[in-house]
Amino acid sequence: GEDVEQSLFLSVREGDSSVINCTYTDSSSTYLYWYKQEPGAGLQLLTYIFSNMDMKQDQRLTVLLNKKDKHLSLRIADTQTGDSAIYFCAETPLGGGNKLTFGTGTQLKVEL
Amino acid sequence: GAGVSQSPSNKVTEKGKDVELRCDPISGHTALYWYRQSLGQGLEFLIYFQGNSAPDKSGLPSDRFSAERTGGSVSTLTIQRTQQEDSAVYLCASSPASNEQFFGPGTRLTVL
Repeated sequence: GEDVEQSLFLSVREGDSSVINCTYTDSSSTYLYWYKQEPGAGLQLLTYIFSNMDMKQDQRLTVLLNKKDKHLSLRIADTQTGDSAIYFCAETPLGGGNKLTFGTGTQLKVEL
Repeated sequence: GAGVSQSPSNKVTEKGKDVELRCDPISGHTALYWYRQSLGQGLEFLIYFQGNSAPDKSGLPSDRFSAERTGGSVSTLTIQRTQQEDSAVYLCASSPASNEQFFGPGTRLTVL
């Protein structure tokens, strides 16, 4: 079945850039997503990228997709304390009815 | 506008009891998804509805789990004879005819 892996923890200083990485195994993935989960809250969609794209930028967020290596990354520029949360990558397979397969989640801690 | 709502927000039950979890999707969203988030298993897909039918039930962990959706709107996830391993946060998401899923705040289920 599909497998989506992320590193568990990332710590950065406020104002620095954060890069959260994700690897997936399903080559038929159509869309790849980044979700944010703050403590006690539901999942918030941050951004997504279609599998035929290499890069997508949205304000402080940059998504890079290397389809050959099945590697997805999320770069957050000028990281703020409010960015502290768990970040999940997710993918939807072709013909999968848009059901999401999530990564293990990366906890981002932003220090002053 | 109103987002996805779920009730109850917290449910504590005794092992062996049945529970019902409710999801009210965003009005007009045709697709509805249930996921489960637990410490041991991460975020897992359970079931997907398109309208009132469920073309993908592949994530339901056992026949103790069932779900229905009526009027193309509200959905109920029922767990019969609850077990301690059912303890998790149950998340509902809805989607219009696109790939974006909007998540509710979840129901935290604790089975004693």
